[in-house]
Amino acid sequence: GAVVSQHPSRVICKSGTSVKIECRSLDFQATTMFWYRQFPKQSLMLMATSNEGSKATYEQGVEKDKFLINHASLTLSTLTVTSAHPEDSSFYICSAPDKRFEQYFGPGTRLTVT
Amino acid sequence: AQSVAQPEDQVNVAEGNPLTVKCTYSVSGNPYLFWYVQYPNRGLQFLLKYITGDNLVKGSYGFEAEFNKSQTSFHLKKPSALVSDSALYFCAVGTDKLIFGTGTRLQVFP
Repeated sequence: GAVVSQHPSRVICKSGTSVKIECRSLDFQATTMFWYRQFPKQSLMLMATSNEGSKATYEQGVEKDKFLINHASLTLSTLTVTSAHPEDSSFYICSAPDKRFEQYFGPGTRLTVT
Repeated sequence: AQSVAQPEDQVNVAEGNPLTVKCTYSVSGNPYLFWYVQYPNRGLQFLLKYITGDNLVKGSYGFEAEFNKSQTSFHLKKPSALVSDSALYFCAVGTDKLIFGTGTRLQVFP
């Protein structure tokens, strides 16, 4: 099946710094990708829709200036957490859909802000 | 607005017994329903989906789900549970972007 990768798998950063997370579709092209956030023992919350060649669409309550999304190619979307704070610590997951409405999820990135 | 509910935080079942993980949905129009499984330190994996057609949907690893329009349910089932089925299961609704339920942890005991 289709594969989506994320890099890095884990990152620890200091408060106030920025962190970039990459999401790649390895064997298919994705004009749209999705970014989710998952807190411990909780469900996935959709943060934003990443659109190739255009601006991302953010869900209500998600700060677009804090979570910068860039979808520069058909196989790569990046999420940059700017000026990270401890409350941004979470598990970030990306996904890309295929034409059959099946989503392929990346393995996730564990962000810890100290 | 679309939503799904998973009323059970955890389901415990003995190996070899049938299992059911419950999901109810609320959508306007025809629902696109999905089940995903999450193993520790791994990404979500697609199990099965209902878009149209037969109400009984068969998916990966021997799982199946029954779409019940009158009860607005889409329960996940398996006739005989395996210890390796122990994981976190999510019901979801949507076409492209997905709205997830809160998840149900399935624990299969040997």
